[in-house]
Formats: sequence, structure tokens, C-alpha cells
Amino acid sequence: EAGVAQSPRYKIIEKRQSVAFWCNPISGHATLYWYQQILGQGPKLLIQFQNNGVVDDSQLPKDRFSAERLKGVDSTLKIQPAKLEDSAVYLCASSTRLSRNNEQFFGPGTRLTVL
Amino acid sequence: RKEVEQDPGPFNVPEGATVAFNCTYSNSASQSFFWYRQDCRKEPKLLMSVYSSGNEDGRFTAQLNRASQYISLLIRDSKLSDSATYLCAVRPGAGSYQLTFGKGTKLSVIP
Repeated sequence: EAGVAQSPRYKIIEKRQSVAFWCNPISGHATLYWYQQILGQGPKLLIQFQNNGVVDDSQLPKDRFSAERLKGVDSTLKIQPAKLEDSAVYLCASSTRLSRNNEQFFGPGTRLTVL
Repeated sequence: RKEVEQDPGPFNVPEGATVAFNCTYSNSASQSFFWYRQDCRKEPKLLMSVYSSGNEDGRFTAQLNRASQYISLLIRDSKLSDSATYLCAVRPGAGSYQLTFGKGTKLSVIP
């Protein structure tokens, strides 16, 4: 079974530029999550989708971050404009109620460096 | 108080040693608890869920103390391959699938 796919794997941009990340969850997983993991920290949830609807985006900095999952499968996360403190790994995860404990499966992440 | 707190680490232990990690959580209504393993520059992967009665998987034992709001992970007979960061994760309540993670504790097993 294919895992969660993310692209790009690495991105370097200058502050105030825009960037977008893409995620393709495991087939059949209705729930998709975006996490931000700053170096030395644990992952922090940014947004959770159930199919194409947002379940929780309370920790998403909406002035600069946006995310969508229009057809309930792939998702994109955008940052516009980027700040230095956005340098982090952006992890996408997916889950299904059919798996034990609703286990979340993580993708390899996109490592963003903002200069 | 942070929602999920872990031992700051790092832990440097010799092969064969027993090492224990602790994690405390602030939300008493939390329902589910997990330990994830994260290798350097890799994604987190579920190591084990933590059940109320405690559970064991080979050399790994997880315990939950609801009264004191902490969970623990014990690794016996440490192997070099156990070197990684161990993340504690808590699910806040019934019907919510979100996870709140601790900062993680880095373990280095030394030959």
C-alpha cells in the first residue's frame, strides 16, 4: 500500500515570498492533517480535514496560511507571505476510522527554509 | 503548563541498558495516548498505543496513570537501532482524532 506522498521534499525561499506544498493521502483515508514541526519541537497541528471539509483550523495563522482539499483527496497548504519563523518541516498525515485507534500515517514532510 | 510535556533529554545510554521516558498531559479529559518514534530527518511513526492497563510489545512497555496524568515508555535491553527521538502524543477527547505532541526526547544508544 502506498504511503502518504508529499512534494516538494525541500524548499528554500526568501521572506515575503509565497510557497505551496502538496499532499496525497493514503487511498481511502478520509481525514487529512497538516502539521508544522519546528526544529527541536514536536509536530503542531495546523489544520484537519474530514473529506473536503475543515474540522479544525484553530492553530492555522490565517493571515498568511491557507489550505484546501477541494475534492476530498489531495490537499495543498500555502504560505503567503513567508516569514523567517515559518522555517520548519511541514508534515501531512492521513487516517481512517477503519484503522485501529485511527492511527495517523505521516508523509516524509517538506522541509522549508525561509531566508 | 504546556499541554504535553516530556523529559527534556537527551538520553545517552549503553547498549543493553533499560531506559524510561515520562510524559505528562494537562487535559484530564484526554482519551487516547501514544508513543511515536521519529528517526533523524524522517517522519514520526507510531510505536505503540498506551492502554489503561498498560501494554507490552517485545522490549517496549507503556504505562498510563490517569490519576497523575502521565504516561511512560520503558525500553529494555536497548539496541543501537533504538536511537531516535521518542514523541508522546495525546488525543484530547472522544470523537476527536487530533494529536497533541510533546517536544520529544532524543535517545542515543552507545556501543
